[in-house]
Amino acid sequence: AQSVTQPDIHITVSEGASLELRCNYSYGATPYLFWYVQSPGQGLQLLLKYFSGDTLVQGIKGFEAEFKRSQSSFNLRKPSVHWSDAAEYFCAVGALNTGNQFYFGTGTSLTVIP
Amino acid sequence: GAVVSQHPSRVICKSGTSVKIECRSLDFQATTMFWYRQFPKQSLMLMATSNEGSKATYEQGVEKDKFLINHASLTLSTLTVTSAHPEDSSFYICSAQNQETQYFGPGTRLLVL
Repeated sequence: AQSVTQPDIHITVSEGASLELRCNYSYGATPYLFWYVQSPGQGLQLLLKYFSGDTLVQGIKGFEAEFKRSQSSFNLRKPSVHWSDAAEYFCAVGALNTGNQFYFGTGTSLTVIP
Repeated sequence: GAVVSQHPSRVICKSGTSVKIECRSLDFQATTMFWYRQFPKQSLMLMATSNEGSKATYEQGVEKDKFLINHASLTLSTLTVTSAHPEDSSFYICSAQNQETQYFGPGTRLLVL
């Protein structure tokens, strides 16, 4: 069965520090992988996606993610966090074999301290 | 590109009334749209998949007679919460599919008194 795990419920980093948010998935075929960000009371904004090809993908706002098939992971990274990055981050797997239903992780809440 | 709007952004209604939420893809056509519900501090729960010109597919446990979905055009899907009760109060988010990617609306906060 398809599933997505985000092991870290909450992460706190200092502004300017590097960030890595973890995502592990379980899927029977090559997955389509996504990271979204959600600010309080808002919808989800697409940060980046991976379908195929280069396993290191660049997204908006200076984020990048690396697909590692051997580890079933798609971790999100940013070299220097800004206060405005404080938000909820969701990893998702797109399952084309079920009408492109998305399976979401439980989310990681990011707090940025000055 | 790939902008999705939702209207209204928030609504307060009395128990027993019905509320309609619109989801529009503004710059692309979406054969498939999705409706989610999100509880505070939780992830998204898929309610139903809406396909243009056909009946929606509801997830297990979601009452199709209570949450009516209509996808009459390639840019508009509507969710109607019928006979709303306080337990229906929640944050409802739609998404529209563009190729393999879902693009999300800003959400609708529903409060039923």
